[in-house]
Amino acid sequence: QVVLTQSPSASASLGASVKLTCTLSSGHSRFGVAWHQQQSDRGPRFLMRVDSDGKHTKGDGVPDRYSGSSSGAERYLTISSLQSEDEAVYYCQTWASGSQFFGGGTKLTVL
Amino acid sequence: QEQLVQSGAEVKKPGASVTVSCEASGHSFPGSYIHWVRQAPGQGLEWLGRMNFNRRSTEYSQRFQGRVTMARDTSNSSAYMELSRLTSDDTAVYYCGRGLYDFWTIWGQGSLVIVSS
Repeated sequence: QVVLTQSPSASASLGASVKLTCTLSSGHSRFGVAWHQQQSDRGPRFLMRVDSDGKHTKGDGVPDRYSGSSSGAERYLTISSLQSEDEAVYYCQTWASGSQFFGGGTKLTVL
Repeated sequence: QEQLVQSGAEVKKPGASVTVSCEASGHSFPGSYIHWVRQAPGQGLEWLGRMNFNRRSTEYSQRFQGRVTMARDTSNSSAYMELSRLTSDDTAVYYCGRGLYDFWTIWGQGSLVIVSS
């Protein structure tokens, strides 16, 4: 079973950049992940898929301020020029053995 | 613009079943997988299973095997998820998602299911 580990919270100032991390459990460092954003009281939204080589494929309408990257077992979501609407919970998700697994989510606060 | 439109909120008694629908708007399902995910109040996301819309083949999370059934209706581009033998732990928002076998890129708006006596 794959375990995805995310920090419960992160914060950054308006206009700054933030890098959120999703760590894959041992033995799964070659897995890709998908990142989803969930703003308060709304359903999730797909942001991008990030592969183990760092290649990322974004969903329709996702701003250029959002990018993805990888290093070892870590998958990153970087948001630059933070805006108030970026305040949300960010979930990473992966797939293995016919099933799907989610990280616990990182709540991003924009100060 | 593609959207997935889900059915409205439901209140069910323990032991009952609930069916949530998911209709494609601006796109059709054929060629896609439909995933179902739920989110209990204040909690994270949990995957229930997926269905290949064309082949009607399904794969369910072991946690829900025997209680969940996924189906589709090609005439109206709709997918359905039925969960039986409900308990209060099944109170959650249920989401459908359209995409590939491994992940999905379009989410429905969610359907609240409340299980209460």
